[in-house]
Order: sequence, then C-alpha cells, then structure tokens
Amino acid sequence: GAVVSQHPSRVICKSGTSVKIECRSLDFQATTMFWYRQFPKQSLMLMATSNEGSKATYEQGVEKDKFLINHASLTLSTLTVTSAHPEDSSFYICSARPSGGINSGNTIYFGEGSWLTVV
Amino acid sequence: EDQVTQSPEALRLQEGESSSLNCSYTVSGLRGLFWYRQDPGKGPEFLFTLYSAGEEKEKERLKATLTKKESFLHITAPKPEDSATYLCAVQGRSGGSNYKLTFGKGTLLTVNP
Repeated sequence: GAVVSQHPSRVICKSGTSVKIECRSLDFQATTMFWYRQFPKQSLMLMATSNEGSKATYEQGVEKDKFLINHASLTLSTLTVTSAHPEDSSFYICSARPSGGINSGNTIYFGEGSWLTVV
Repeated sequence: EDQVTQSPEALRLQEGESSSLNCSYTVSGLRGLFWYRQDPGKGPEFLFTLYSAGEEKEKERLKATLTKKESFLHITAPKPEDSATYLCAVQGRSGGSNYKLTFGKGTLLTVNP
C-alpha cells in the first residue's frame, strides 16, 4: 500500500515552453502533497506544500508564478513549470501524506521522481 | 528551525561488515523521525518512522533507534544490494498542520562484494 506515482518519469522540453508533471496517490487519499527538487548528489529541497482545494504554500525563494501547483483532488497534484529555462532542468519529486485509512499517520510517501531536461 | 545532520557523508563496507549511520537532529516538538532509502535516479523509499526516544524498529538487515538528540540506522551483515543513499528526516510541530519534512544530506553507502 501507500503508492505514489509520478508522470512522466522523463520529459524533455524546449526553452520557453511549459511542462506539467502529475503526482497521484494510487491507494490512498492525500489532503497534503509536497513537491521537491533535487540536484545531483544533493538532498531534497522542498519547493512547496499543496493542500487539496486551496492555494499552495511556497518555500522562500521559490517563484510561485513559475512553478504552478494545483491540488484539485485528494489523489492528484500537478506541478507546471512555466516558461522553462535550461536552469530549471532537475529531478522533481512529489510526496503525499495519507489522510485517513490504514496508511494514515505522519509518514510521507514519495513518488519515483520526474527528470526534466530543458533544451 | 529544524535541523538534521547525517554522518558520515559516505561509507564503504565489505559484504557482511556491520556498521551504523548517524542522524543528529534539533527540532521544535518532534512529531516523527523518518529514514528513507534512495537509489540513484529514484524517489526515496520509506523505511521507518520513529516517534519517541527509546523506540526501535527493524526490517531485515536494518534497525533504527532513536534518542532525544539522534537516531542510528544499524546495518547488520550488509549485502551489495543495500548500497544506496540513506536519508534521515524530521517532522516537527513548527511545520504546523502540513507535517513537512526537514531532510539531512544523506549517507551514501556502498557495500562491496
């Protein structure tokens, strides 16, 4: 149980275009989901926290107009990188905290990650 | 502000050579301490959650322990497939109702056959 799925796992886009990454909790509902960015050989950097039905909370230094987060349902959150530039190339990982059910508690489960390359 | 420091940064072991990874933390009101395993190019895989000092949890060759200031991940008789980066994270009450995690930089474990 407690599976989080991300799609796509790899995406290449042209500079100036937008790209959307989906994060789904497959066997549980998640009121809260998190988006991270990870650079090579570094730890995870929290970008934003999304709560279903409300606006995301962004960490300091993260541009909310560039990284659009939508948490429209209890099983789906999306991250849209707008007007992508090569420096946005990175590994993006989402995570989710089960809200209710046998997996509920404080534990947060992670997706497989999405590699974004902007050319 | 919650802080997590992991040591060592990297650890090389021979197959069967037991060792421990350390995670020191400061947190305002601990909700939980978490251990994850991350393979290259993958998202973190959940291993353990510890909630209070004195708690211990085991899974196969791994055992996690918790004190008020640190946690240890003990690896007994490791195998090459245990090679990965091990991440420690804390969840404090300063995260409010969002339960967000603060991560350490991880320990890269390499187990040689």
